[in-house]
Amino acid sequence: ETGVTQTPRHLVMGMTNKKSLKCEQHLGHNAMYWYKQSAKKPLELMFVYSLEERVENNSVPSRFSPECPNSSHLFLHLHTLQPEDSALYLCASSQTTGDGGTGELFFGEGSRLTVL
Amino acid sequence: AQKITQTQPGMFVQEKEAVTLDCTYDTSDPSYGLFWYKQPSSGEMIFLIYQGSYDQQNATEGRYSLNFQKARKSANLVISASQLGDSAMYFCAMSLNTGNQFYFGTGTSLTVIP
Repeated sequence: ETGVTQTPRHLVMGMTNKKSLKCEQHLGHNAMYWYKQSAKKPLELMFVYSLEERVENNSVPSRFSPECPNSSHLFLHLHTLQPEDSALYLCASSQTTGDGGTGELFFGEGSRLTVL
Repeated sequence: AQKITQTQPGMFVQEKEAVTLDCTYDTSDPSYGLFWYKQPSSGEMIFLIYQGSYDQQNATEGRYSLNFQKARKSANLVISASQLGDSAMYFCAMSLNTGNQFYFGTGTSLTVIP
C-alpha cells in the first residue's frame, strides 16, 4: 500500500458539477497539502493543513474548498470550476520537525482533472 | 522572495552516462532544505535526495548526488550511470525552516537514450 493515495485518478466534470478529490496518508504525518500542477508552470501550493488546522491558503478561488476531517484524510471539494482549472492535483503529506521546519513531502499519484 | 530556478527544460543522456541537472535558489533565510523529486509519466512525485543548508558534505543516495555550492546558491543533481527508467521530469524544491512552505522549480525533462 502506497503512503499517500488519491482518488479518483482521473475526473472529467462539467462547469456546473460538484465533485470531490480525496487523499489519504498512511504515514502518520501531521501536515497535508494540496498542490496544482499545470503544464510548464511550477507546482502551485493551494492549501496546507498542519495538525488539522489550515495554515496556508494561497489566494485560491472559493470554487475550491478543502476539508481535513483528521490527520490522515484530506479532501478538495470542487464546485462550478472553469476550464482553466484543468490540471493535475497532487496531494502530499509531511512531518513537521521539532525545530519548526518540515521533512520531505510524500506525494500521491495525483488526480487528473479535466473541466469541460 | 524565495525562488527556485531550473534553466534546462529538457535534457538527453546516453544510457550508462552521468548527467547533471541544474538548480539555483534564492532565499535570505539562513536555514533551509533543498530537495529533488522525480516525476515519471504516471504522475507521482518521488523524493530522491535532501540537502540541509548547514550540511557540510554533499548528500548522496545511491546513484544520486547533490552538488551543493552554497556561495553560488546552486544545488545541482547528478545522476550517475543513467538507466532507461530515469527518464522523467525532475523538480528541485526548497523549504524554509519556518512553516510548511515548499518552493518548486519548473522542472527538467530528462530522456535517457539507449
